[in-house]
Amino acid sequence: DAGVIQSPRHEVTEMGQEVTLRCKPISGHNSLFWYRQTMMRGLELLIYFNNNVPIDDSGMPEDRFSAKMPNASFSTLKIQPSEPRDSAVYFCASSLEYAGQYFGPGTRLTVT
Amino acid sequence: AQSVSQHNHHVILSEAASLELGCNYSYGGTVNLFWYVQYPGQHLQLLLKYFSGDPLVKGIKGFEAEFIKSKFSFNLRKPSVQWSDTAEYFCAVKDNQGGKLIFGQGTELSVKP
Repeated sequence: DAGVIQSPRHEVTEMGQEVTLRCKPISGHNSLFWYRQTMMRGLELLIYFNNNVPIDDSGMPEDRFSAKMPNASFSTLKIQPSEPRDSAVYFCASSLEYAGQYFGPGTRLTVT
Repeated sequence: AQSVSQHNHHVILSEAASLELGCNYSYGGTVNLFWYVQYPGQHLQLLLKYFSGDPLVKGIKGFEAEFIKSKFSFNLRKPSVQWSDTAEYFCAVKDNQGGKLIFGQGTELSVKP
């Protein structure tokens, strides 16, 4: 299996622009997680889906962030408008229930 | 709320030294426990996991962890570290009522050659 796939791997954008991060989970996994990692705040869970349904979005920082999972093989995390404090590495992870989560390579986002 | 505590923020060892990283969690029910490793500039990789059964869990790259229920602990060990073990290590707990993991703040391990 190719593992969790994320795109783009790097994104540099200007403040105010819309950013869309993409994730393809491991085939057969039914849970998908979006995390953000920064030096200051460490690893934060933003939102997770089970069977394509958002279960817990309490970690989403504010209304500028939104996530969708239209089907079992694709999810997006959108930031609109982006701000410099959104600069971070965003990880997507997937799992089968009661199993370990497998992380993608991450998207390094820089907002200038 | 559940929480995970990793007591060591930064550990520095020489090659061949033994390693033990502490992890304690606060949850009285049945838990699933994990250790992840993040090499510099890379993503988190699963080192090992405990679901049930033998409390001594063997993982990849010579790592092991012991689940001690009475102490709410799941410490990570390796008898002899290598320079290539330099990384950040995260302990995590998942309860059976939900799918999300609660991560500790991480321990940075630096191994001197």
